[in-house]
Amino acid sequence: EDKVVQSPLSLVVHEGDTVTLNCSYEVTNFRSLLWYKQEKKAPTFLFMLTSSGIEKKSGRLSSILDKKELFSILNITATQTGDSAVYLCAALFNDYKLSFGAGTTVTVRA
Amino acid sequence: DAGVIQSPRHEVTEMGQEVTLRCKPISGHNSLFWYRQTMMRGLELLIYFNNNVPIDDSGMPEDRFSAKMPNASFSTLKIQPSEPRDSAVYFCASSLIGTHGYTFGSGTRLTVV
Repeated sequence: EDKVVQSPLSLVVHEGDTVTLNCSYEVTNFRSLLWYKQEKKAPTFLFMLTSSGIEKKSGRLSSILDKKELFSILNITATQTGDSAVYLCAALFNDYKLSFGAGTTVTVRA
Repeated sequence: DAGVIQSPRHEVTEMGQEVTLRCKPISGHNSLFWYRQTMMRGLELLIYFNNNVPIDDSGMPEDRFSAKMPNASFSTLKIQPSEPRDSAVYFCASSLIGTHGYTFGSGTRLTVV
C-alpha cells in the first residue's frame, strides 16, 4: 500500500529557531515529492523535488530529496510566527496521484 | 488568474439531504481532482479527471458520492443522501499534468447534522 509518513506530528519552537521536518514515502511509480504549507485554508505549494540530492531553496525554506533512502526534509531557518502552519508532504506517483502525509503542525512562539 | 474557485465555502445540511459542491478549475489546466480532508484520515483523493474524463474514482467512498465534469471549466461533487460521517473539508484542485504541483481551491467545509 502506498504510504507517506511525516515526523514529527507537531512541534513548538521560538522565533529564530531552525526546524527540520521529515517525510518518508513508499509508493509505486514514484515521480516527485511535493511540500505544501496549510494555514487555515487550502494547501499552498512550496516545493517539488524530482532529483535526488539537489537542494531547492525559497527564502528561509529549503528542501532536499533522497530517492535511495526514500525520504525528504524541509528546513525552515530563522523561524517567524508567520511560519506557523501545517506542513504537508505528498508523493506524486502514477503520473497524477498525490498521496499526502498526515502533516507536521509547526507552532512558532514570539 | 482567480485560482481554483469552489462554492459554497460552508455548507450545513441535515442527514439525508443532497449536497452539491462546485468547482471551477484554473483555465488551461487539464486535470481536476477532488480531495476530502478530515482530522482522522488527512487528505484523501476522491476522484481524478483528465480532459473532463473521470480517470480514477477509486477513492470515492461509496455510491452515495458522484462527480461530474461536463466541461473544462466546471465540476461538481454530489453526495446523496448525506450522512454525518461525510462531514469534512472538500477541496478541489487542478493542474497541468507535467508541470509542478496542484493548485487547491479554498475548500468547502461540509457539516452534516
